[in-house]
Amino acid sequence: KAGVTQTPRYLIKTRGQQVTLSCSPISGHRSVSWYQQTPGQGLQFLFEYFSETQRNKGNFPGRFSGRQFSNSRSEMNVSTLELGDSALYLCASSSQTGEVTQYFGPGTRLTVL
Amino acid sequence: AQTVTQSQPEMSVQEAETVTLSCTYDTSENNYYLFWYKQPPSRQMILVIRQEAYKQQNATENRFSVNFQKAAKSFSLKISDSQLGDTAMYFCAFMTHYGGATNKLIFGTGTLLAVQP
Repeated sequence: KAGVTQTPRYLIKTRGQQVTLSCSPISGHRSVSWYQQTPGQGLQFLFEYFSETQRNKGNFPGRFSGRQFSNSRSEMNVSTLELGDSALYLCASSSQTGEVTQYFGPGTRLTVL
Repeated sequence: AQTVTQSQPEMSVQEAETVTLSCTYDTSENNYYLFWYKQPPSRQMILVIRQEAYKQQNATENRFSVNFQKAAKSFSLKISDSQLGDTAMYFCAFMTHYGGATNKLIFGTGTLLAVQP
């Protein structure tokens, strides 16, 4: 099976812009979770989607949003970018059929100038 | 709130030797999962090993094993016969289970392991 894929891998934006990141889970996986990784804050949970519904949300401002499509692919959007949004954004998928392990994609490196 | 603590920011080990990475966590829940992930310089997060809290037997995966002490809320990772490819940042992670996985991993701050030739 192909692993979790994320596009784009690298992104450079300027403050005030918005950005959309994409994540395609492992075939058959219905749950997609997003994490932000920064040197200062470490790895933090953003949100989780299952069957097109947000089931869980971390402690991030409303500028961070996401959605999931019927094919389980997920997108994450950040509006009005700030310098502090520069981070590695990781997506993970899991099957939700007795298997709780999350499998991670390679990440999207976002730089905000 | 659940927390995960990794008290060793950096460790070093000689190739072929054994090293143990420490992790403690805090929770009032009884059902949960614990994980060790590794993140090499490529930044790809890779699952190393998983432990279900209801299982008393410690998980093992080839050269990797854990020492799970539920009462002490301790979950250490032992790497035997260390290899150069084991060089990576290692994260301990926790997930609660409310009749179904919450899919919200809480990570520690990581331990950077360097395997020396």
